Amino acid sequence: DAGVIQSPRHEVTEMGQEVTLRCKPISGHNSLFWYRQTMMRGLELLIYFNNNVPIDDSGMPEDRFSAKMPNASFSTLKIQPSEPRDSAVYFCASSLGGSVEKLFFGSGTQLSVL
Amino acid sequence: GESVGLHLPTLSVQEGDNSIINCAYSNSASDYFIWYKQESGKGPQFIIDIRSNMDKRQGQRVTVLLNKTVKHLSLQIAATQPGDSAVYFCAERTNAGKSTFGDGTTLTVKP
Repeated sequence: DAGVIQSPRHEVTEMGQEVTLRCKPISGHNSLFWYRQTMMRGLELLIYFNNNVPIDDSGMPEDRFSAKMPNASFSTLKIQPSEPRDSAVYFCASSLGGSVEKLFFGSGTQLSVL
Repeated sequence: GESVGLHLPTLSVQEGDNSIINCAYSNSASDYFIWYKQESGKGPQFIIDIRSNMDKRQGQRVTVLLNKTVKHLSLQIAATQPGDSAVYFCAERTNAGKSTFGDGTTLTVKP
């Protein structure tokens, strides 16, 4: 079975550029989560969706970050404009939702903003 | 300059020994807890979960213990193997659908 698929695997960009990270959750999963992982702050929840609707975006650092989930099989996390402090590994995860809360993570996108 | 960042607890064990990884959680209202394993270059992977109405749950070579009185969670790994070397995270569900992760513990298994 295909797990959560993220692309790109690595992204190197220059400060000020727009960055778009993509995620395909596991088919049938109702909840989707975006996390950011850094040495400084560990794993931080940025936003999560339930049935394609954003439920909690309190972890989104600032207005430069936005996330969408246009359908049940696709989500994007966009950073515009990007800054060096955005450099991190960004993970997408999905779950069945409801009382089944265990998360299935993708392999992550390693983002480097120069 | 001084390096600032998370200082992850570390645990080093001999292959074949049992490992115990501890986690303190913060919210007494948390009702669901999960342990994840993260290997280098990969996303966290589910190991085992436990609900707050239980105090122990066993899986294959792993056991999770929950002490709600002191808000403490532990993961026990029996007969630790080199493939168990990873960072281990506990996560608590504090609101419906939202999991908060701890800082993680690095487990190193010496052959």
